[in-house]
Parts: sequence; C-alpha cells; structure tokens
Amino acid sequence: EIVLTQSPATLSLSPGERATLSCRASQSVSSYLAWYQQKPGQAPRLLIYDASNRATGIPARFSGSGSGTDFTLTISSLEPEDFAVYYCQQRSNFGPGTKVDIK
Amino acid sequence: QLQLQESGPGLVKPSETLSLTCTVSGGSISSTSYYWCWIRQPPGKGLEWIGSIYYSGSTYYNPSLKSRVTISADTSKNQFSLKVSSVTATDTAVYYCARRAGDYYFYMDVWGKGTTVTVSS
Repeated sequence: EIVLTQSPATLSLSPGERATLSCRASQSVSSYLAWYQQKPGQAPRLLIYDASNRATGIPARFSGSGSGTDFTLTISSLEPEDFAVYYCQQRSNFGPGTKVDIK
Repeated sequence: QLQLQESGPGLVKPSETLSLTCTVSGGSISSTSYYWCWIRQPPGKGLEWIGSIYYSGSTYYNPSLKSRVTISADTSKNQFSLKVSSVTATDTAVYYCARRAGDYYFYMDVWGKGTTVTVSS
C-alpha cells in the first residue's frame, strides 16, 4: 500500500503570500496524484489531477507539479478564500492534509 | 450540471448496519466513463476512501473495510448505495458520495455535500 505524507501540517501565511505544499509518496506513483481543497463544513473540491492539470473552474493561481514520489501544490498569491485544508490523493490513499491558516 | 445527494439515517446503533444512498442528478450512473464511490471523514480527521462501483456492478473496496462494506447500484433509480455492517463508534463520520474519474488511476471530480452518521446507542 502506498502511504502519502504531507508537509507541513500547518502553514501560516498572510493574504497575498505564496503557499507551497508538499506531498510525498512512499513509492513512485508516476504522475497520478490529485489535490483537493476542503473548507470547514464543506465537501472536498478537486483542484488538480494527474499532478499538474487544473480541474474545471479552478483559478490559475493554483498549480501542481512533480512526479514519482515528490509533488507540490503551489498557490501563487493567497486569496482570503484559499485558507483551508488541502489533501493529496493517489488511488484509494489520501494524505493527512495541510492546513493553510491566516498568520 | 451533475449533482450528488447523500441520504440515510443520521443515527445508527452499535453492531447494526449503516445504510446510505446517493442519488445522482444531471447525469447517469450508467455512464461507461465513470465510477461511483464513497468516502468518509471522522470528526476532526482526514479523508478515508471506502470503495467504488462501476455501472456493470464491479466493485473495489478499501482492504481495511472490505469485510464489512457493500456498495451496490440501482441504475433504474440512478442511485448507488453503501452498507457498513457491525458498526462501532469508529464508524461515526461524515459520509460523502462522489464521482470517480479514471480507471486504475483515479480521482474524484464531483462530490456530494456529505451526510453525518453517528453511531451511538
């Protein structure tokens, strides 16, 4: 079974700053990794699939990169609505999440 | 626009069977392009993938839950369902249904709003 680890657990930033979130897989997953955003009381929302493809309607400030075992989700300039928890996922495995909160 | 809506009892007694239904509108679960799945989230915790079903009836379950989980589909009603048997307090969670895109490698591109299930006597 593939294990996904995410770092950091919490990222404290200000609006306008750049956010860089990491997801590491215990073995290679090629480019088959997705990212989700979840706000309190809401369902997760797909942001990125296949490591770097933005889902429909996702703003360009969200970008994904990586392959093999190391992946990154970048938010180029944080908007107030971007403060949330972010999960990576590969097949039936989810990472533990990174919370992006307001500094 | 595709929408998914979970429904079912919000309270289940320990040792009983949890049963939920997901009703799909704006699209067909008989589509050959997608699978349909269940994911849950215990209070204050992360996401756990439960399993999925294809319109043909083919299922794929999380190995850790496989012995207690059954997912089925009713194409005539455009619904799919989840049953978890012998529930305990650790099955308390928000349960989400979602559309799964991709075959072996997949992601969930449309989600329901979720329904809270509490296991308690």
